[in-house]
Order: sequence, then structure tokens, then C-alpha cells
Amino acid sequence: TQLLEQSPQFLSIQEGENLTVYCNSSSVFSSLQWYRQEPGEGPVLLVTVVTGGEVKKLKRLTFQFGDARKDSSLHITAAQPGDTGLYLCAGEETGTASKLTFGTGTRLQVTL
Amino acid sequence: EAGVTQFPSHSVIEKGQTVTLRCDPISGHDNLYWYRRVMGKEIKFLLHFVKESKQDESGMPNNRFLAERTGGTYSTLKVQPAELEDSGVYFCASSQDLRGKLFFGSGTQLSVL
Repeated sequence: TQLLEQSPQFLSIQEGENLTVYCNSSSVFSSLQWYRQEPGEGPVLLVTVVTGGEVKKLKRLTFQFGDARKDSSLHITAAQPGDTGLYLCAGEETGTASKLTFGTGTRLQVTL
Repeated sequence: EAGVTQFPSHSVIEKGQTVTLRCDPISGHDNLYWYRRVMGKEIKFLLHFVKESKQDESGMPNNRFLAERTGGTYSTLKVQPAELEDSGVYFCASSQDLRGKLFFGSGTQLSVL
């Protein structure tokens, strides 16, 4: 079974600060996705990274896939209260058809 | 466009009872997935349908769980008999293509007392 460990588990910061969330595994994934989940809702896809070393930007969010496709990071610049939520990474297991392994999650709170 | 719809949003049942969860995927999405999060742990894969066929059911915990997708449209997940450890949030997701973007429903919160 492939596992994805996220760190930190909880993060409380003030508006305007920068932060980085890490997603690590000892296993190789075909691709890695980042989701954001709000209370009472399902996860919503933010980005998918496929190539080792790939970097994608989504406004103030920067996603990177590790060279060996075993880890990923999410960096948020100048966090805003609207960024508050549960961030989940999910890896597509090699040799499977879209079966995702989800990370343990990082709960982010951004205060004014 | 309607998203993935799950019903009910909450279900409270007693141990030993039967519960059926329903998922209506986005229209035209052949791929339908069931996932669940139990006891504050990470979300875990249960199974994957392509149209009405089970593509991968390796995540189904035991034979108390039965998933169906008759006609390749909506899907049901039945738990019979329910046990305490089945409590959690059950998510359904759908995608148009095999590795296409996944759209998740809001989930069904199942509480087994």
C-alpha cells in the first residue's frame, strides 16, 4: 500500500504570510493532484502534476512535483482568509486506472 | 451543469441495520468512484465503475459492502449489516475520461451507533 504523508497537519497563519505544505512518500506515483476541501463539501481539484520536476502556478499557489515523482509541495504566497481550508494531496498509483491514494491532509487557517 | 449528487447527506443507523447510499454522477461521465474517510483518517479508495462494470473493487473492505451501477447511470452502495467501524464520510466522484478531472460529491456522513 502506498502512503502519502503531509506536513504540517495544522497551520494557523496571518493574512499576508507565506507558507509551504509538503506531501511525501517512499513510493513513485504516475501523477499527483492537489485538492482543497471546505467543511461539508467534497474535495475540489486544484492542479495535477505529471512530470518529475514539474512546477505549476495557480495565481498565488505554486505546486511542484519532485524529480523522482515521490513528493510534492504547495506554496502559497501572501495568504488570504479565503485560502482557509483542508488541503489534500493525492497520488495516482502506478499501474492503476485513476485509483488515488490520498494524503493525511493539512488544515490551514488564515486570519486577518 | 449539475455536479455529483449524493443522497442522503447524513444517515444515522444502528449496528446491524442496512443502509443504502446513492450517487448521481455528472451526466455523461462513464467513470464513477466511491471513496470514504473513516475515523479521521485519510480518504481511501473503495471501487471504480466504468459505465456499469466494476473496473477495480480492490478497496472494498469486506462482503458487507455491495456497490451497483445498473444501466451505467447512478450508483448505490449498500452496507449490510452495518458495523460501528463503518462510520465515516462516503464520497462519490465521477470523471468523463479514465484519467480525467475528478469531480467529487459533498459526501454522505454515515453514523453507525
